[in-house]
Amino acid sequence: EAQVTQNPRYLITVTGKKLTVTCSQNMNHEYMSWYRQDPGLGLRQIYYSMNVEVTDKGDVPEGYKVSRKEKRNFPLILESPSPNQTSLYFCASGQREADEQYFGPGTRLTVT
Amino acid sequence: GQQLNQSPQSMFIQEGEDVSMNCTSSSIFNTWLWYKQDPGEGPVLLIALYKAGELTSNGRLTAQFGITRKDSFLNISASIPSDVGIYFCAGQWSGSRLTFGEGTQLTVNP
Repeated sequence: EAQVTQNPRYLITVTGKKLTVTCSQNMNHEYMSWYRQDPGLGLRQIYYSMNVEVTDKGDVPEGYKVSRKEKRNFPLILESPSPNQTSLYFCASGQREADEQYFGPGTRLTVT
Repeated sequence: GQQLNQSPQSMFIQEGEDVSMNCTSSSIFNTWLWYKQDPGEGPVLLIALYKAGELTSNGRLTAQFGITRKDSFLNISASIPSDVGIYFCAGQWSGSRLTFGEGTQLTVNP
C-alpha cells in the first residue's frame, strides 16, 4: 500500500530536549516536505527536499533541521524545542512539488 | 511572498445543502489544488487544476481554475455528513513554492 508514515503520532516533551520525528514514504517520490498546522494559519511549510542530499528552507524553518540521506526518509529534528513549536506536523511526498502531495497521518507535538 | 486568501473560514450547513468556497491570490498561479482533511488525518487531494478556465468534477465536487489565474473555487453539491472536515486550497506559480490557504472548516448537520 502506497503510504507516508510518521512516528511518533503523539509526543509530549519539555523545553530544550532534542527530538526527532521520522517520516518515510514507499512510493519512490523525489519530493518530500514538512508542514506545521496551527489553527487559523493553515499549513505552513517548514523544509522541503527535491531529492537525496538536497534540502531547502520553507516558510517557517527557524528552530528545525532536516536531512535527506535516503530517498524514502526525511526526518524532522528539533534540536532545542520551545513551547511555540507545539503544533500538528505533517510530512508529505510527491513526484514533484506541483504534483499530488501524499500526506502522512500527522504528529501532534506538545512542548511544555 | 505570495498571499493566498481562503474563504469562508468556517461553514455550518444542513445535510443536502450545496457548499461553495473560494481562494484568491495576489499572484498568478499555474496550478490550483484542492485538499480535504478529515478529522485526525492528513490532507488528501480532491481535485487538481492546471489550466485557466478549467472546470473539473469529482463526484459531487466541482472546482474551477479562474480565468484571471488568481482565483479558484470549490463547490460541493448535496452535502452529506461525511463531507465534514477542513478543505484547503493550494496554488503554485512555476518555479515558486506551493502555498496553502488557511482552510475552510465545514460542519454538516444531519
